[in-house]
Amino acid sequence: EPEVTQTPSHQVTQMGQEVILRCVPISNHLYFYWYRQILGQKVEFLVSFYNNEISEKSEIFDDQFSVERPDGSNFTLKIRSTKLEDSAMYFCASRGGANTGELFFGEGSRLTVL
Amino acid sequence: QQQVKQSPQSLIVQKGGISIINCAYENTAFDYFPWYQQFPGKGPALLIAIRPDVSEKKEGRFTISFNKSAKQFSLHIMDSQPGDSATYFCAASRVAGKSTFGDGTTLTVKP
Repeated sequence: EPEVTQTPSHQVTQMGQEVILRCVPISNHLYFYWYRQILGQKVEFLVSFYNNEISEKSEIFDDQFSVERPDGSNFTLKIRSTKLEDSAMYFCASRGGANTGELFFGEGSRLTVL
Repeated sequence: QQQVKQSPQSLIVQKGGISIINCAYENTAFDYFPWYQQFPGKGPALLIAIRPDVSEKKEGRFTISFNKSAKQFSLHIMDSQPGDSATYFCAASRVAGKSTFGDGTTLTVKP
């Protein structure tokens, strides 16, 4: 069964450092997302990406965040200068097409900022 | 604001009982209403979803009831099993857009 894969599974970083979280979406999917979940809380939308550009972003997704699809398979989330409050589980998700609503989530990357 | 309100926050049910989780939404433009199941350390996984043109959808022990006029939908888990113990999130979206999630319900099914 096709799946979304994410690396690393856990990253510990110092405040102010740059972090890149990587995702390989399902190969024939067209829409890509990043969500985050602070421990025990709701799943929050960060950004959606389609046709090599951001289609929508939330207030959380400020100038410290960026996304990129550098090749045909990877989808990355970069946090330029991490803050303590960026500690969370980051989920990548992909969706097949315009008329399919189901999101397929990866298992997440846990980011701990010290 | 495009909010989705979910209740209860936690739910304890005996094995074999019925688990009911409720959600309410505000944005009438939403046209896709999924429920996701999340186990600890895992990403959310789609359980069942409904579009607003039907009032009920059933898949095995899981049923979504949808009330368009009240802007509410609910998940019913029949014959709840210990293996159903997880966190359940409702969500709402336009099919082509982002999903807005509820706060989640932690379900515990006691044997």
